[in-house]
Amino acid sequence: GQQVMQIPQYQHVQEGEDFTTYCNSSTTLSNIQWYKQRPGGHPVFLIQLVKSGEVKKQKRLTFQFGEAKKNSSLHITATQTTDVGTYFCAGPGAGGTSYGKLTFGQGTILTVHP
Amino acid sequence: GAGVSQTPSNKVTEKGKYVELRCDPISGHTALYWYRQSLGQGPEFLIYFQGTGAADDSGLPNDRFFAVRPEGSVSTLKIQRTERGDSAVYLCASSLIGEVGAKTFFGQGTRLTVV
Repeated sequence: GQQVMQIPQYQHVQEGEDFTTYCNSSTTLSNIQWYKQRPGGHPVFLIQLVKSGEVKKQKRLTFQFGEAKKNSSLHITATQTTDVGTYFCAGPGAGGTSYGKLTFGQGTILTVHP
Repeated sequence: GAGVSQTPSNKVTEKGKYVELRCDPISGHTALYWYRQSLGQGPEFLIYFQGTGAADDSGLPNDRFFAVRPEGSVSTLKIQRTERGDSAVYLCASSLIGEVGAKTFFGQGTRLTVV
């Protein structure tokens, strides 16, 4: 079945450094979503990418969807302590579902040292 | 309500007992999902409701797990004869409509511990 792989599993940075997490799918995705989960919290929707090669920005966060729509990345510029958490990518469920079932990657845990 | 509400927030139960986990989705959201998240992993799909019906229950691990949504709003996930391996955070999520790419809102989850 469809798998969504995410790397790295952990990333430790000093405050002010940049951070990138990568997401790869075994199949072409119609869209990809990104979520952030703070320690002890629940996943919170960040963004959705739909178009091949799409790039979207939210302040210091830049999201990209690959040309082949099989990979995606999230880049954070000049990390802050408020960026701490686990970042998940999620693609549509396997089997060509027509509804919002999600297949999540394993997540990248980001820690930021002040 | 303002967000997806789940109760209880924590549940400790003995092996073999029956538990019910409740989810109150955002008002007006027709699509409701249950996910299970183990430590260090991403959420894993369990079941999807469109209205009152379970449109996809392919993620339920076995027949000890069952979920209902009788009036198309509140949903209850039921686990019979709990096992230690059932320990996880159970997340409920809802979206306005059940379509690919719909923005999905998650509840805070119920942390289930089976001892």
